[in-house]
This record gives sequence, structure tokens and C-alpha cells, in this order.
Amino acid sequence: KAGVTQTPRYLIKTRGQQVTLSCSPISGHRSVSWYQQTPGQGLQFLFEYFSETQRNKGNFPGRFSGRQFSNSRSEMNVSTLELGDSALYLCASSLRGQSGNSPLHFGNGTRLTVT
Amino acid sequence: DAKTTQPNSMESNEEEPVHLPCNHSTISGTDYIHWYRQLPSQGPEYVIHGLTSNVNNRMASLAIAEDRKSSTLILHRATLRDAAVYYCILLTQGGSEKLVFGKGTKLTVNP
Repeated sequence: KAGVTQTPRYLIKTRGQQVTLSCSPISGHRSVSWYQQTPGQGLQFLFEYFSETQRNKGNFPGRFSGRQFSNSRSEMNVSTLELGDSALYLCASSLRGQSGNSPLHFGNGTRLTVT
Repeated sequence: DAKTTQPNSMESNEEEPVHLPCNHSTISGTDYIHWYRQLPSQGPEYVIHGLTSNVNNRMASLAIAEDRKSSTLILHRATLRDAAVYYCILLTQGGSEKLVFGKGTKLTVNP
């Protein structure tokens, strides 16, 4: 069974640009959640989607947005990039969402560098 | 804030057992205890989870205190490949929440 796939693996952007990251969950998983990981702040929750609906959102500015398609694939978008957005962006899929008895399966992330 | 607290780092020798502790004093009755580990340049990897009873799988064992305010991840025989950052988190049954990861425990395994 294929794991969670994130593309691209690495990305370099300039301040002010926007970026779109993609996540393909494990087949059959309906939930996709996104996280930002930096050395200083650790893993921080961005948002979770379940069956194309955003169920929860972390404490990030509106520049961070996402969506989920009918095939459960998800994208996240960051507009007007800032230097502080440089991070590893991880997505995780699960069968029933962030819901106790359902393990999260993470991809290997997209490393975004903003210059 | 994270609902769990873990030591920043621990060290072990290869082929010896490792006990990684986690405190979650504010755990609720519907919170599952999950453990993940993250190797360098990779995403976190699911290790094990449980609710009340101790759990075993091919990777590790999870021992849960009777009052559920703490738990211990047990690696029975550490290998160099077990060197990673281990995260203990709580996931609520039926809930969708702003999941918070703590800093985790960085495990060093000495040959």
C-alpha cells in the first residue's frame, strides 16, 4: 500500500511569492492534516480536512489556506511568503481523522526555503 | 500548549531496553495516547497507541499507568535505527482538534 506522498520535496521561493504544496493520502483515508515544523517552534498544526471540509484550523494567519478534493488529495497554499515561512511542511492522513483510535500517517514533507 | 510532557533527551546502549516516559496529567477519558517517532529528514512515523490497557506491536510496547496520567514507551532491544525524536501526543476519540505536539524526547543509541 502506498504511503502519504508529498510534492515537491524541496522548494525555494522569494519573499512575496506564493506557493502551493500537494499531499496525496493513503488510499481510503478521508482525513488530511497539515503541520509546519521549524527548529524553534517544533510541529505546529495548520489545519485538518475531512471529506473536503475543513474541520479545524490552527493559529496561523490567513495567508495559509488549504483545500481537499473529492479524491481526498489536498493542497495547501501560502501567499505573500515571508522569511519566517521557511520550514518543513508535513501532511498526515488517517482513516477517521484526528480521532483517537485512528493513527496518523505522515509524508516526508516539503522543505520550503524563502529567500 | 502541549498536553504531554517528556524529557528532552535520553541515551541508551544498543541491544538494551529503553523506557521513554510521558506525563499527561490532564488526560480525559476519551483521549488516546499515541506515540510517533521522527528520524532526521523524514516525517513522523506512527509507533503505537492505546487507551487504557497496555499494548504491544512489532515495534514497541506501551505501558499505561492505572490512573492514565502517565505512560511509557518500551523499546525492548534498542538498535541504532531507533535513534530518533519520540513524540507522545493525545488524540481525542470523536474529536477534531488543534493537535499540539510537544518537543519530544531525542533518543541517542550508543553502539
